[in-house]
Amino acid sequence: QKEVEQNSGPLSVPEGAIASLNCTYSDRGSQSFFWYRQYSGKSPELIMFIYSNGDKEDGRFTAQLNKASQYVSLLIRDSQPSDSATYLCAALRYTGNQFYFGTGTSLTVIP
Amino acid sequence: KAGVTQTPRYLIKTRGQQVTLSCSPISGHRSVSWYQQTPGQGLQFLFEYFSETQRNKGNFPGRFSGRQFSNSRSEMNVSTLELGDSALYLCASSFQGGNNEQFFGPGTRLTVL
Repeated sequence: QKEVEQNSGPLSVPEGAIASLNCTYSDRGSQSFFWYRQYSGKSPELIMFIYSNGDKEDGRFTAQLNKASQYVSLLIRDSQPSDSATYLCAALRYTGNQFYFGTGTSLTVIP
Repeated sequence: KAGVTQTPRYLIKTRGQQVTLSCSPISGHRSVSWYQQTPGQGLQFLFEYFSETQRNKGNFPGRFSGRQFSNSRSEMNVSTLELGDSALYLCASSFQGGNNEQFFGPGTRLTVL
């Protein structure tokens, strides 16, 4: 079992819709969680991170964390074609200071 | 502020050779992490260096090694290359690691023939 699991997709949503990306993790020692966006041929860029249970909002993005269920999600409101990319979920285990990445979910926003 | 730079951007090697990749972090950043990215396995952590010391290591064979210099620049070396080492190698810098935001470089695309 991989440390971080993501549905590889592809996920397609129409422009203006809400895109929901999900991630589960296996190590209860993971304490911080990160969402990265990676455009084709480019390197990952951080969207946001979360370490407390509940929701964290940043503009059109909302990260949700449920430690009891070991589940992290990212909601993108008012999706735009420019949001079309692969979204990577990562978990940080403080012990060892090591990041574990999922394989990513490919999102396509259809104009 | 200049971003993370990696050289070279592309490399083609043959099995059995060795390769050295270089990463220059953002000025002031002391933590440099290296990752291997492949379509099947995604981003996998290789190791992290902080203040010239390897602080963490992922689950890769000893053929993969690295080092960090006093100016925080880092190199990683892969010896006795195998076909499966073909991948995008990314380095990421952060101020001191941990929860600090990581900034990724453009990567080095290594092809092993």
